[in-house]
Amino acid sequence: EAGVAQSPRYKIIEKRQSVAFWCNPISGHATLYWYQQILGQGPKLLIQFQNNGVVDDSQLPKDRFSAERLKGVDSTLKIQPAKLEDSAVYLCASSFGRGNTEAFFGQGTRLTVV
Amino acid sequence: AQKVTQAQTEISVVEKEDVTLDCVYETRDTTYYLFWYKQPPSGELVFLIRRNSFDEQNEISGRYSWNFQKSTSSFNFTITASQVVDSAVYFCALSEAEAGNNRKLIWGLGTSLAVNP
Repeated sequence: EAGVAQSPRYKIIEKRQSVAFWCNPISGHATLYWYQQILGQGPKLLIQFQNNGVVDDSQLPKDRFSAERLKGVDSTLKIQPAKLEDSAVYLCASSFGRGNTEAFFGQGTRLTVV
Repeated sequence: AQKVTQAQTEISVVEKEDVTLDCVYETRDTTYYLFWYKQPPSGELVFLIRRNSFDEQNEISGRYSWNFQKSTSSFNFTITASQVVDSAVYFCALSEAEAGNNRKLIWGLGTSLAVNP
């Protein structure tokens, strides 16, 4: 079974530039999550989709971050404009159910903003 | 407040030693789920176990075992005869109910385990 695919693996941008990350979840998984993980910390949920609808985006900095999941499959997360404090690993995960079932994670995108 | 505490920031052991990673949680829910994930240097989070609040039986999977004690709100993880490949950051997480039948994962800060040859 193919896992959660993310791209790119690494990205370096200058502050105020924009960047986009892509995620393809495990086939059949209705729930998709984007997490931000700053070095030395646990993952922080940015947004959770159930199919193509947003379930939770309470911690998404909406002035600069946006995410979409068209057709309830792939998802993109965008940052525009980026700030230095956005440097982190962005993890995509998917699960069959809504948070009480195990989530499967991709390898993440390591973003460095300089 | 809902919270997961992993008091051990870093642990270093020598191969073949047993090691226990502690996890203490706080929740208002009577129904909740507890998880352990492993994050190796490659970065992805690997699911290890899920335990629901009604099942206090200990679980063993190979060299891994988990001790769930509701009386002390703990869900500790033991690796027996540790190996270098066990070196990773281990996260404990709590899934609790929210409005609208959704559940949110609350994560601990992780314990970095180094197993030295």
